Amino acid sequence: NAGVTQTPKFQVLKTGQSMTLQCAQDMNHEYMSWYRQDPGMGLRLIHYSVGAGITDQGEVPNGYNVSRSTTEDFPLRLLSAAPSQTSVYFCASSYSGDSGNTIYFGEGSWLTVV
Amino acid sequence: AQSVAQPEDQVNVAEGNPLTVKCTYSVSGNPYLFWYVQYPNRGLQFLLKYITGDNLVKGSYGFEAEFNKSQTSFHLKKPSALVSDSALYFCAVRDPNTGFQKLVFGTGTRLLVSP
Repeated sequence: NAGVTQTPKFQVLKTGQSMTLQCAQDMNHEYMSWYRQDPGMGLRLIHYSVGAGITDQGEVPNGYNVSRSTTEDFPLRLLSAAPSQTSVYFCASSYSGDSGNTIYFGEGSWLTVV
Repeated sequence: AQSVAQPEDQVNVAEGNPLTVKCTYSVSGNPYLFWYVQYPNRGLQFLLKYITGDNLVKGSYGFEAEFNKSQTSFHLKKPSALVSDSALYFCAVRDPNTGFQKLVFGTGTRLLVSP
């Protein structure tokens, strides 16, 4: 059971470039989300989805785009990368049948924008 | 809006001694509380959670946490620390009336266990 899988693990982008961070889960979880982790700030929610075809904004959505065409996949797109988007990105998933809806995280994607 | 405070950036403890990592929270309703651990260059691993019921929650790797509603705290504890417990620990809270993915995290506490 792979859980939540993210690719790539490391990426360097130039300012203005676009890219997509991939996320897939094999646990049939309804809910998926993207967080970013910055030093001294904990994790902050970027976008989330409650099911295929349904997405919504989190705390820090600007500069990012998401879509959810299948239950398994939830890619995060950086439209025009900026140095402020240098961060560690975590994809996560959960399901309604779990008491308290425990969120499970992927291994992270380290992104540097130069 | 919910919030979490982890007042200590780092906690130092000797191997074999008990450890406590502190967490206080603010939420309008009854909280769902979580602890996660992060090892270097890895993702967050779920340790334990409080939803309702017994105030003492037991989790993975010998960790436990005590929910205290009057003090709005959810401190993480372990009776005997191991060097391998050295990692970054995050407390998180979710208001059960908000979205399932809307966890609010503290800033993290680095635990350093010396041999």
